[in-house]
Formats: sequence, C-alpha cells, structure tokens
Amino acid sequence: DGGITQSPKYLFRKEGQNVTLSCEQNLNHDAMYWYRQDPGQGLRLIYYSQIVNDFQKGDIAEGYSVSREKKESFPLTVTSAQKNPTAFYLCASSMWGEQYFGPGTRLTVT
Amino acid sequence: SQQGEEDPQALSIQEGENATMNCSYKTSINNLQWYRQNSGRGLVHLILIRSNEREKHSGRLRVTLDTSKKSSSLLITASRAADTASYFCATDTAGTASKLTFGTGTRLQVTL
Repeated sequence: DGGITQSPKYLFRKEGQNVTLSCEQNLNHDAMYWYRQDPGQGLRLIYYSQIVNDFQKGDIAEGYSVSREKKESFPLTVTSAQKNPTAFYLCASSMWGEQYFGPGTRLTVT
Repeated sequence: SQQGEEDPQALSIQEGENATMNCSYKTSINNLQWYRQNSGRGLVHLILIRSNEREKHSGRLRVTLDTSKKSSSLLITASRAADTASYFCATDTAGTASKLTFGTGTRLQVTL
C-alpha cells in the first residue's frame, strides 16, 4: 500500500450523520484522488486534486466534500446528502500517471 | 461512467496455466494501465502502456494494446495461487492525464 495511509479501516455511522475519512501520503505526490467501490464493481472517481488548495469533482461528487489544505492530506467528508454511502472508499496519489493506493476504508451506514 | 469493460468477468484456472483477460474502452486514450486488487485491499499498479506502444512485458505479465479496436489484453503466464485477485484496466485521455477511468474488473481464481 506504499506511503498512503487511510484511517480507519472500518467505520460505522448512523444515517443522517456526516463522516470524514482520512487520507495521508508521504510520497510527495502533487495529485490525490478519492474513489468509491461497490461490491463486484470497478472504481468510480469522487473528487481529485492536482495541487494544494485546488480540487475538481469526479463522476460521482454529489453528497461528498473534500479539502486540500496540505500536500500530504486529502480528507473526504461523506455528508448526509449522499443517498447510498455504504461502500469501500479508496484514496490514491500520483505524480506522473501511475497511481498509488491506500488500503481503503469500508464505511457502513445504518 | 466506466470507460473500460473487462472480459471475462470471472476466470478460474489451475496453477501453471496462462490467464488472459481483455479490456475494451470507448474513447481515444493517452495511456492504459492495469491494476491488481486483492480482496478488500487497495489497488496495486502492474503496468502502463502508452497509446503509441503495441506490446509491453514485465516479468510474467504481457500487455498488448490495439488502438484501432480500442482494446487491450493482459496475459499472466505460468499462473500461481498468489495471482488470485481482481484485475482492472484504467485509461486516461489527452488533457486529463491525471484522471483515470477504471473498468469493471476480471476476478481471477487460480487453484492448486
């Protein structure tokens, strides 16, 4: 899983609560990404950031928010507006093209 | 949206056999990458092939790219039980080199 850490590994929340997933990298990469993976599916891009203090929406940004105040950190907030938040969330970083992934956070909302 | 579609969705082979999985995509690309994911874990990069390349090797992996057919294949030779995982292709397009679009994946099971 390289130099990217995600915490926690498992997260449980009640419906209606916002929750923030952590992603930290020590690879000195400029770009960072958040993906969502549902069972048996590929990855779908939520948000990405190519540089500090800047980020863009991916394909499924609704109900999510991010910040990029430091190069090393790219936290993802899953808001109560996200209709189906239960999923496996993966963070990644890259410099030139190849992406390095964290171990993922499995979020369960009941 | 999913750019790539892998085929087959699932593949079961015996140790020592070769495994071939295919990826088709819809729009012109700059690069195509293959990633591996063990169950419940993050993805690991395997190989990147550029749009002007036709074939690339890395250890027991061989990747081909046919831009006229918008398709790529990943061949794993002499498979091992440890190769059991899901394999995904991912593409990026001109002007968005840092943004990857992933396929739906092939689940490979290698049995002893």
